[in-house]
Formats: sequence, structure tokens, C-alpha cells
Amino acid sequence: QSAPTQPASVSGSPGQSITIPCSGTSNDIGSYNYVSWFQQHPGKAPKLMIFDVNNRPSGVSNRFSGSKSGNTASLTISGLQAEDEADYFCTSYTSINTLVFGGGTKLTVL
Amino acid sequence: QVQLQESGPGLVKPSETLSLTCSVSGVSITRDYWNWIRQPPGKGLEWIGSVYGSVYHSGSNQYSPSMKSRVTILRDASKNQVSLNLKFVTAADTGVYYCARDKGTGRGWFDTWGQGTLVTVSS
Repeated sequence: QSAPTQPASVSGSPGQSITIPCSGTSNDIGSYNYVSWFQQHPGKAPKLMIFDVNNRPSGVSNRFSGSKSGNTASLTISGLQAEDEADYFCTSYTSINTLVFGGGTKLTVL
Repeated sequence: QVQLQESGPGLVKPSETLSLTCSVSGVSITRDYWNWIRQPPGKGLEWIGSVYGSVYHSGSNQYSPSMKSRVTILRDASKNQVSLNLKFVTAADTGVYYCARDKGTGRGWFDTWGQGTLVTVSS
């Protein structure tokens, strides 16, 4: 069981859109629509932003959206704001009934 | 309002057992799945394992393959608590340990997290 791959960092200017990919395998992302995304600010607990690939919990801005194609899931943030600067992690259910986190991506708002 | 609070020793000696408790308020743990997740300093999140809260499904656990031989996660419905035991710890087990509720029946829908507790493994 290996961790899905995320870029170490991405950046964008206020108002722009960015996409963070999460590349897995046919044993996790490719076989299940059970991908979640979390936002983590320094020193804080993670916050659920997306579940089941493209669903937003109540209270999460509609600037955040998720998608999946094949073995890769993606998180898109539109209309970037300074407060979006944080670490982002994906997670996926796996074929051996476990969960696995991606390595994480640091988002910098320029 | 659902709240989770981790507690336990902040310092554990190498080769000993790390033991943490997650106290849950605002909801019965007999619902949902309860997870332990950790984060080494400056690194990413690592899923440790989960327990299903229902008293009708005793022993319903899932563990990370890399930690399965050392981990036990239990639930105590009478105290509304979930516990983590990690045996034979090394410095690599140092990090912040979080408990989290999964409302997605084991699908990783971690909607509520504790604040986390830092555990350092050192002699």
C-alpha cells in the first residue's frame, strides 16, 4: 500500500484558480469514489473540505471542488484568497479496506 | 456539538508502549467509525487505524498494514472513549496524534477531529 502522490507545493495569485492532483492506483482512487480532501493550517487540526470525490460538507465554500479521472483525484480552488494558504491532503479508501493519505501539498497564495 | 479530546503521556521511552485516549462528547461512539491519525513533525498525515463504535460489532477494526503488528484500537461505550495502544515505539513514532470521527462508514469522511496531542519518543 503506497501513498497517493501529490505535488509538494503549488502557488497562485489572489483571484486565480489552482488544481492539486492526487495520483493513486487501481487499488485505491481508481476503484472507489471514496476520496476526501483536507485543509490544514499551521498548528491546527485538519479540516474536511471534500468527501466522496466531489461533495462539500456544510459550511465549506463553493470555491472548493473535487473531481476524479482514472487513478487521479483533484482538488480545485477557484477565486484564491489569502486564507486558502495551507497544506492540503487527499485520502482514499483502498482495496484492503484501509485508508491512505497522500503526501500533502503546500499551497502558497502569492 | 461533537467534540473529541486526546489525552495521554507526552513522553514515551523507546521500546515501550504508547497509550492514548480519545474522549468523545456530544454523540455516542456506538455510531460511526473512530480513527487515529498521526503527523510526524513537519511531515504529512498517516492513518493508523479505526474501530467501529457499534457494540454489536465487537472487534471491527482496520489497521494500516505498516503498523498492524504493533497497534490496538479499542472502544469503551460506557465511557464514550476510544483508545490507542502502539507497542515497541521508536523515535519514528514521534508526532502529533489525532483522533477523528469518520461519518462515512469507513470511507475517510473525517468530519470531526480532536486538537491533537504531541507524543515524543525519547529516553
